[in-house]
Amino acid sequence: AQSVTQLGSHVSVSEGALVLLRCNYSSSVPPYLFWYVQYPNQGLQLLLKYTTGATLVKGINGFEAEFKKSETSFHLTKPSAHMSDAAEYFCAVSESHNNDMRFGAGTRLTVKP
Amino acid sequence: GAVVSQHPSRVICKSGTSVKIECRSLDFQATTMFWYRQFPKQSLMLMATSNEGSKATYEQGVEKDKFLINHASLTLSTLTVTSAHPEDSSFYICSAIYHTGDRGPGYTFGSGTRLTVV
Repeated sequence: AQSVTQLGSHVSVSEGALVLLRCNYSSSVPPYLFWYVQYPNQGLQLLLKYTTGATLVKGINGFEAEFKKSETSFHLTKPSAHMSDAAEYFCAVSESHNNDMRFGAGTRLTVKP
Repeated sequence: GAVVSQHPSRVICKSGTSVKIECRSLDFQATTMFWYRQFPKQSLMLMATSNEGSKATYEQGVEKDKFLINHASLTLSTLTVTSAHPEDSSFYICSAIYHTGDRGPGYTFGSGTRLTVV
């Protein structure tokens, strides 16, 4: 079954600094890859997703991610962190033949003033 | 579009009672829905896949007799936690697939239900 690994359960950056959240996936077929953000006691909000086509995906709130098949990675980046970016971020993968989505363990992003 | 409404958002129940959580697709037909469980500061763990008109498929380790899933219509799936115990306290989230044409599947999530069993 497909799976994802998020390196770093907690990432702390200063406001204005680059955000890099790492995600590696495992899949037996070409995957669909997603990044979600979750604020405390709330549901999930989709930041961006990769299905096919362009490997650099731009999402909401200035986030983007690049699908690198050779590295089985889908790291999330944002050039300049904002205080409002502080939240839990989940990388997820699904496969076309079963469609169920599997989540990584999550990375908590803290933004320091 | 592709909105899923999940109710209730919070529920407190006594140990031994049953609780039903509803997940409704508001503007599309959801043939497949998923139920996840999230413990504090942890990830979402898939509990089961619910297909309209058929029995749910449960993940390994999930008790199907305890977590009853019904998906009787294309717009409603329910999760009933039977004979709830404090260890069932958790955040439960539903999700549904919708079709985006050539952009692959879309997934939409409910806002979650915080269950506290006392």
